[in-house]
Amino acid sequence: GAGVSQSPRYKVAKRGQDVALRCDPISGHVSLFWYQQALGQGPEFLTYFQNEAQLDKSGLPSDRFFAERPEGSVSTLKIQRTQQEDSAVYLCASRRYRVDISGANVLTFGAGSRLTVL
Amino acid sequence: AQSVTQPDIHITVSEGASLELRCNYSYGATPYLFWYVQSPGQGLQLLLKYFSGDTLVQGIKGFEAEFKRSQSSFNLRKPSVHWSDAAEYFCAVGRGGSQGNLIFGKGTKLSVKP
Repeated sequence: GAGVSQSPRYKVAKRGQDVALRCDPISGHVSLFWYQQALGQGPEFLTYFQNEAQLDKSGLPSDRFFAERPEGSVSTLKIQRTQQEDSAVYLCASRRYRVDISGANVLTFGAGSRLTVL
Repeated sequence: AQSVTQPDIHITVSEGASLELRCNYSYGATPYLFWYVQSPGQGLQLLLKYFSGDTLVQGIKGFEAEFKRSQSSFNLRKPSVHWSDAAEYFCAVGRGGSQGNLIFGKGTKLSVKP
């Protein structure tokens, strides 16, 4: 597609529920990132995929967070047994190449999925 | 460790006035630097980037930024602010190599008064 698409845009979950957030990156983009943006904060890195390989998951806050990209395109971020501290906007970003050919790392972001845990 | 500091949480300027948003970074090597803008309910839009060459970079919407290595700064400027510029602005530093993750500052919220 023309941009990075995320769904759902808004999700309200009761504490303890599992949620799944979807990201459709720009077609053909190799790299995919997930970020978490808490209220009033900047985005913080969660995990990185190169095609279907998850090369870095150092930012995932706990083992309740799981991400996958099985066919190297669409990605899903799953949060099990949600807690109130998981409330945030989850941003997905993609980049065409493994490394931007200009040497910089230009990410295109989706509009995000806002998760509220009650 | 790499980090980005945006010292101003909230700035208010009058429409037509000039704007400067501050950004300081901590990074061991030559940084890749970015400014993104986020409007309410929207994703992050890239305004401009610096990775080498001319230290004054031009971006979209009339914004520019200047990289000053001696001050570890990458301040964003605009000569005349429009009401539509009201948004949150994020400075970020990028890691090189095959991953290229971005580290963001906490953001500066810009309000524009008529």
